[in-house]
Amino acid sequence: DARVTQTPRDKVTEMGQEVTMRCQPILGHNTVFWYRQTMMQGLELLAYFRNRAPLDDSGMPKDRFSAEMPDATLATLKIQPSEPRDSAVYFCASARGGDRQETQYFGPGTRLLVL
Amino acid sequence: GENVEQHPSTLSVQEGDSAVIKCTYSDSASNYFPWYKQELGKRPQLIIDIRSNVGEKKDQRIAVTLNKTAKHFSLHITETQPEDSAVYFCAAGDTGFQKLVFGTGTRLLVSP
Repeated sequence: DARVTQTPRDKVTEMGQEVTMRCQPILGHNTVFWYRQTMMQGLELLAYFRNRAPLDDSGMPKDRFSAEMPDATLATLKIQPSEPRDSAVYFCASARGGDRQETQYFGPGTRLLVL
Repeated sequence: GENVEQHPSTLSVQEGDSAVIKCTYSDSASNYFPWYKQELGKRPQLIIDIRSNVGEKKDQRIAVTLNKTAKHFSLHITETQPEDSAVYFCAAGDTGFQKLVFGTGTRLLVSP
């Protein structure tokens, strides 16, 4: 049963530190999404990629967040410098991508706490 | 851009009752409407989806209905069980952009 994997599962850091979150999409999926979940804002789309190319990162604070796909099996989300308001659960999801909307499969999430 | 509203925010039912969660969307180009279930501390998981070419879809105790004219869709759970307790999210998306806009979630509590 193929699944999206994410590391780390939990991260506690101090304000100002760099945070890197990693995601391995399901093999064969060419579309990768990064979401942030908080109690106040729900599930927000930060960025997404198709065939490793960024399609939309309008949901991401550009001054401190960056997202990349170094290869088809790895997506990264970096925050530098981190701030307490970045505390949230960050989910990666992947989908097959094609002519129509395909199911998005979510990873287990990275729970980030910035002190 | 697309905007999805979801109601109610919380829903408490007795085991065996039915539960209905409603969502409205704003973009008439949206043609794909999935529902996700998220248990506490877990990942959202797809439970059912519907595309704009059908008006209803069923899967055992779960059904989804879509009214394109009114731009709303609903999740129906019959014979609810305690293990149905979770947060349910609706979403809307379109083929062109392949991204989803999620509703704010409904916390369903099923009491034995």
